Amino acid sequence: KAGVTQTPRYLIKTRGQQVTLSCSPISGHRSVSWYQQTPGQGLQFLFEYFSETQRNKGNFPGRFSGRQFSNSRSEMNVSTLELGDSALYLCASSSDTGGFGYTFGSGTRLTVV
Amino acid sequence: LAKTTQPISMDSYEGQEVNITCSHNNIATNDYITWYQQFPSQGPRFIIQGYKTKVTNEVASLFIPADRKSSTLSLPRVSLSDTAVYYCLVGAAASGGSYIPTFGRGTSLIVHP
Repeated sequence: KAGVTQTPRYLIKTRGQQVTLSCSPISGHRSVSWYQQTPGQGLQFLFEYFSETQRNKGNFPGRFSGRQFSNSRSEMNVSTLELGDSALYLCASSSDTGGFGYTFGSGTRLTVV
Repeated sequence: LAKTTQPISMDSYEGQEVNITCSHNNIATNDYITWYQQFPSQGPRFIIQGYKTKVTNEVASLFIPADRKSSTLSLPRVSLSDTAVYYCLVGAAASGGSYIPTFGRGTSLIVHP
């Protein structure tokens, strides 16, 4: 079956701009989580959506937001971009049973200049 | 909050068995233990998940002692392609706002010829 699809794969933005990243989870998975990965901080949890509702949120400022649609596809938005937002943004879907048995996408590499 | 501790790095040689231990002293009753493998610029890949005792699949084994305060990922007969960063993640799906999944810094495994 198809994996988790993230678009775009690469993105270059200027400070102050906003960006929207997209994630299509595995068919049947209703839970979608977003992570930020940087060399300095590692993998950090942003938020999780389940059935169109944000169920959990990490310690990121309000500039980071997301949403989930009725077909489980999810988007995350970062407003007023800062240089420190440059990172690999990973989307992960799961079946919401047992432990965190995520299937990750390949990520979106965001560079803020 | 089930914080995890892993060795920062490990070295091995092709054909050897590699055991990576993760400590999670504050594991909760409902928590599962999940291990991931990550190559550079890719999303983490699910390896194995367990709750107690031993779990084995086609690529790895996971050993969990009775007190569940640690777990050991065992990779039999590693090859050069097993060079990657390995993460353990402890928690339970559907925990909602009561738990922020925390990956930790992972273990960088280097397999030598």
